[in-house]
Amino acid sequence: DTAVSQTPKYLVTQMGNDKSIKCEQNLGHDTMYWYKQDSKKFLKIMFSYNNKELIINETVPNRFSPKSPDKAHLNLHINSLELGDSAVYFCASSFPGGSATGELFFGEGSRLTVL
Amino acid sequence: AQKITQTQPGMFVQEKEAVTLDCTYDTSDQSYGLFWYKQPSSGEMIFLIYQGSYDEQNATEGRYSLNFQKARKSANLVISASQLGDSAMYFCAMRRGNQGGKLIFGQGTELSVKP
Repeated sequence: DTAVSQTPKYLVTQMGNDKSIKCEQNLGHDTMYWYKQDSKKFLKIMFSYNNKELIINETVPNRFSPKSPDKAHLNLHINSLELGDSAVYFCASSFPGGSATGELFFGEGSRLTVL
Repeated sequence: AQKITQTQPGMFVQEKEAVTLDCTYDTSDQSYGLFWYKQPSSGEMIFLIYQGSYDEQNATEGRYSLNFQKARKSANLVISASQLGDSAMYFCAMRRGNQGGKLIFGQGTELSVKP
């Protein structure tokens, strides 16, 4: 059973298009995240939701819109895709306050290529 | 502001030898958590080890140990008896407080294990 699953795993699209990445976790965690890993492998947080509420919104263009229909799902919609959006997008989840370590559990990543 | 620094972009180690991956951090918080993640070429992020700022003993998990020097603000990862499968990117990360929350990542160190 996959703990944090993302779809699609690969996405190739043209500049200007709109695309979505879906994420689901079956760990019972309260908090979910989107991270972006750029071409230099640097990982940076984009958003975080706790129980469907947005709690972290880093400096991300408003073309990126996360949505959490319930605490097990966090989707990422990107409008008007640009070349610089090409990256690997990781979904992650954690259980704040209830885990001794509170480590993040990551999905496998979704590699987005904008042409 | 919090910051994680990994100064070794790439490292080589002979199979069966030990290797230390460096990580220094900057925070004014008293309570924080330090993590190491492994990212093999397949792309997934694998949690390795955690150290809380109040933990007096260095964390160990199998062949992984974390050399925590609080005064120096360093949290180096030591891998003993390196294996070919240890070849991967390794990321050091920090979280504020002792509960769940976003992780701030370092730039990563690419480790190559030679046979």
